[in-house]
Amino acid sequence: ETGVTQTPRHLVMGMTNKKSLKCEQHLGHNAMYWYKQSAKKPLELMFVYNFKEQTENNSVPSRFSPECPNSSHLFLHLHTLQPEDSALYLCASSPGLAHTYEQYFGPGTRLTVT
Amino acid sequence: QKEVEQNSGPLSVPEGAIASLNCTYSDRGSQSFFWYRQYSGKSPELIMFIYSNGDKEDGRFTAQLNKASQYVSLLIRDSQPSDSATYLCAVIGNQFYFGTGTSLTVIP
Repeated sequence: ETGVTQTPRHLVMGMTNKKSLKCEQHLGHNAMYWYKQSAKKPLELMFVYNFKEQTENNSVPSRFSPECPNSSHLFLHLHTLQPEDSALYLCASSPGLAHTYEQYFGPGTRLTVT
Repeated sequence: QKEVEQNSGPLSVPEGAIASLNCTYSDRGSQSFFWYRQYSGKSPELIMFIYSNGDKEDGRFTAQLNKASQYVSLLIRDSQPSDSATYLCAVIGNQFYFGTGTSLTVIP
């Protein structure tokens, strides 16, 4: 256990559905991240929050909408997804954004879009 | 050119041998380097980090960094079957970049 939890662990949704992924960290960290991991591809950074303010959006389609109500919680709202969005979605946290800070990952949500 | 490159493998080594995993990066301004281990179906787990040129040892693991040549490596001594996993190299330059990972199999 890394102190980062994610729910649900598995999600199957149709292209017209709306769902949300939840991440919570119990490490007292200030920065949180969403990543997408697809087969044979490197981890893709999607969003970064520091002290609940978004600092990075890596050209992510608007069908993915992040929300960070506080430094411990991070959500990823999903709507009208495409089959190519099926992947493992990983949440991570770090003490801050300084280059020396390592990131700790949650267990991930395996998303399948049908 | 990819920001971080790793040989995808698979790399197979016998139990007890030294496994050597390599990673090159393109951003000369990169400052921090991390190795993560990822078991199949699980999330990445931090193994080591290194900031300065040279070697850093932690138990059976040694990270080596050469900024002039822009590579970082991970040596696993006395490899065990439980070390069988995918190893991800991560580099902090302008942002956090991950490689695609090297699959390691330790044969009993």
